[in-house]
Order: sequence, then C-alpha cells, then structure tokens
Amino acid sequence: ETGVTQTPRHLVMGMTNKKSLKCEQHLGHNAMYWYKQSAKKPLELMFVYSLEERVENNSVPSRFSPECPNSSHLFLHLHTLQPEDSALYLCASSHTGLAGGNEQFFGPGTRLTVL
Amino acid sequence: LAKTTQPISMDSYEGQEVNITCSHNNIATNDYITWYQQFPSQGPRFIIQGYKTKVTNEVASLFIPADRKSSTLSLPRVSLSDTAVYYCLVGPTSGFQKLVFGTGTRLLVSP
Repeated sequence: ETGVTQTPRHLVMGMTNKKSLKCEQHLGHNAMYWYKQSAKKPLELMFVYSLEERVENNSVPSRFSPECPNSSHLFLHLHTLQPEDSALYLCASSHTGLAGGNEQFFGPGTRLTVL
Repeated sequence: LAKTTQPISMDSYEGQEVNITCSHNNIATNDYITWYQQFPSQGPRFIIQGYKTKVTNEVASLFIPADRKSSTLSLPRVSLSDTAVYYCLVGPTSGFQKLVFGTGTRLLVSP
C-alpha cells in the first residue's frame, strides 16, 4: 500500500462509451499526476495538478479530460477512446508538483482495454 | 532536462550483487538522482535518492562519483523477487520540471 488508491483496477469499454478513472491519495500531498504506460513503452506523463494548477502534456488527445476537485482526488474522464488508448493508467502524488527529484507515490493503476 | 541512459536489460542469479549504471552527462547543479522499481502491471516504487557520494538504505546503495555524470544502483544479494524494471531519473526537488521516465533497465534474476 502506497497511500494512493485507484478505481477501477480493470476497465473494458467500447469506443463510444464514457467512463471515468478515479484516484485518491491519503498522504497529504499537494500534487497529483496521471501517467499512461503502453505495452513495452516508457511511462508517459499526461497531466499534473499542483496546488490546483494544471499542467498538461500537449500531445495528449482531448478525449482524455482530467479533473481535480481537491488536493486528494483526481479523475480522468474518458470519451470516444480508440483501441490504441488501451494501456495501464497510473496515478501518482508527491509533496510538490513536477520537480523531478521529488519522490512520487504511485497507485496500482487501472488496466484499460478499449474494444 | 537531464537525459539519462541505462542498459536495456541485465541478467543475474540469486544471491549475487547487481550494479546498474545510469549516465546523466548534463545533470544540473540542483538535480538529484532518484531510482524507482516497477513490477509488471504495478506503479513504480521509490527505491533510493542521492545527490553525491554514497547513499545506503535497507534496500539498496547508490554510488555517485564526484562529477555526478553517472550513478550506480547496487542491489546486494538479489532474489527472484527483485526481477523488475529499474528507472533512473534526474531532477530538482523544487521548482518546475517535467518528470521523464526513460525505458529503464529490465533486470531478470534466475535461480
């Protein structure tokens, strides 16, 4: 247990569905992250929320929409996904955002399959 | 942003010491060196962090030479459960800098 939980752990969805991934951290951190990890590829940073400010990777398609209602919760809203979006989606948190030297605590991930 | 280079894979046997080296030639003055471990279908887990010389914890040691252009993660007496991907990252602990995970080093420990 890292103090970061993610639900659901597994998700299968069609290309026309809308779903949301949820992440919650119980560590008192003020930065949260979404990463995508495709098979045999490096982790790709998608979004960061730090002190309620959002920073995003410009290469992430608009069919992924993050939401951070407070410092403990993070959502990733999914709509009209493509099969190539199938991947492991990881949430992480840290004391401060984006500084690469800060220890990040990762959740167990959501395994997403798009049919 | 400091780029890191690691071997793609390494093989070892149970009980051996494993040393994984990471090159980071353009490391900045305020950058720290951090290593993560990742098992299949799980999120990465922090192993160790250092700035210079040597750092040791209950899991591993981290050796950093004076020029800081490389670092070596040392895993003493590995077991089968140490089979994982190991990532080396370089970055500051404050300020704004995008964190970039490379391809990491895939360590396979055999009986």
